[in-house]
Amino acid sequence: GAVVSQHPSWVICKSGTSVKIECRSLDFQATTMFWYRQFPKQSLMLMATSNEGSKATYEQGVEKDKFLINHASLTLSTLTVTSAHPEDSSFYICSARDLPGLAVGGAGELFFGEGSRLTVL
Amino acid sequence: AQTVTQSQPEMSVQEAETVTLSCTYDTSESDYYLFWYKQPPSRQMILVIRQEAYKQQNATENRFSVNFQKAAKSFSLKISDSQLGDAAMYFCAYNNDYKLSFGAGTTVTVRA
Repeated sequence: GAVVSQHPSWVICKSGTSVKIECRSLDFQATTMFWYRQFPKQSLMLMATSNEGSKATYEQGVEKDKFLINHASLTLSTLTVTSAHPEDSSFYICSARDLPGLAVGGAGELFFGEGSRLTVL
Repeated sequence: AQTVTQSQPEMSVQEAETVTLSCTYDTSESDYYLFWYKQPPSRQMILVIRQEAYKQQNATENRFSVNFQKAAKSFSLKISDSQLGDAAMYFCAYNNDYKLSFGAGTTVTVRA
C-alpha cells in the first residue's frame, strides 16, 4: 500500500508553454501533498504544501503565479509550470500523507512519487 | 525553522564493509520524527529507516541501523555488510508536522 504516482515522468517543452504534472495517491486518501524541486546532486527543496480543497501554501521565494498548484480531490494534486523557461528545467517530486490518525505506513511518514523531469528548450 | 546538516558530501565503502553517515539537526521541539531516505539513480525516494524522538531505542532495519542521540541532536546511519545496491544518495530528514526538512545528502559509492 501507500503508493504515490507521478505523471509524466519526463517532459520536454518549448519555452513559453505551460506544463502540468500530476501526483496521485493510488491506495490512500492524501489530505496533504507536498511539491519539491531538486537540482542534480542536490537536496530536495520544498516548493509548496497543498491541502485538499484549499489554496496551496508556498515557501518563501517560490512564485505562486509561476507554479500553480491544485489539490481538488483527496487523491490528486497537480503542479502547472506556467510560461516555462529553461531555468525551470529541473526534477519535480511530490509526496503525500494520509488522513490524520490513520498513519498509513507509520506516523510521520510521507510517500513519494517517482518524480518528473522537466526540460524546457 | 528546523535545519538538518549532513557534513559528508561523499562516502566510499568496500563491498561487505560498514559505513556510517552522519546527520545533525537543530530543533526546539521535543516530539518529532527522523528519517533516512535513499535516492538511487532512478531518483525514486525510498524510506530506509525511521526513528520517533520519544523512543530511546535505536531503530534497526536489517543491515541498516541508527545511532540516535537526542540530547546531541545527532542521528547517524550505519550500513552494515554494504552491497552494490546500496550505492545511492542518502538524505537525512526531520519531520514534526509532516513537513520534511532534508539535509544536503551524502553520496555513497560501493567498491566491488
